[in-house]
Amino acid sequence: AQSVTQPDIHITVSEGASLELRCNYSYGATPYLFWYVQSPGQGLQLLLKYFSGDTLVQGIKGFEAEFKRSQSSFNLRKPSVHWSDAAEYFCAVGARAAGNKLTFGGGTRVLVKP
Amino acid sequence: DVKVTQSSRYLVKRTGEKVFLECVQDMDHENMFWYRQDPGLGLRLIYFSYDVKMKEKGDIPEGYSVSREKKERFSLILESASTNQTSMYLCASSIKLVNTEAFFGQGTRLTVV
Repeated sequence: AQSVTQPDIHITVSEGASLELRCNYSYGATPYLFWYVQSPGQGLQLLLKYFSGDTLVQGIKGFEAEFKRSQSSFNLRKPSVHWSDAAEYFCAVGARAAGNKLTFGGGTRVLVKP
Repeated sequence: DVKVTQSSRYLVKRTGEKVFLECVQDMDHENMFWYRQDPGLGLRLIYFSYDVKMKEKGDIPEGYSVSREKKERFSLILESASTNQTSMYLCASSIKLVNTEAFFGQGTRLTVV
């Protein structure tokens, strides 16, 4: 069965500093990978996705993520965090051979200090 | 813009009640999903549907059922609500499974007392 691990439950970062959120997945073949963001009181919004091709993908709001097959990872990065980036971030993996189900990680809550 | 609308933001129900959570999408998407969100557990798939009157169990279907009589509407039913079903419920839709973006509603926070 496919699974997703986000090792960091909480991360606190200063405004203007860089941010990296970790995501590790378990699945035998190439998965489809997503990062979603959930602002307080809101639903989930897609930040970016990887299906194939270039392993460095660009998303909205200045985020990017890199797919590393050898490490089974899909880490999310942002060079300079803004106060509005405070939210919960979810990594998700989908795979056709796994019944086409989208599996989410436990989430990482990001706090931004002034 | 795609819009996924959940009928209630907050619900309080009593143990043993039958509860209906409604979700409507306006983009003619084939696929619809119900997730449950709990702290530290992320989102867990309860049921999904890839066509009208079609449904498949997700990872945690016990205690729930679903109904999809029309393409735009997907209902989650708690046959007899229990306190361990207190949670945030999120509905989502997409044009096809897995390799396209899912669009989410704002969620329904259900409290069972």
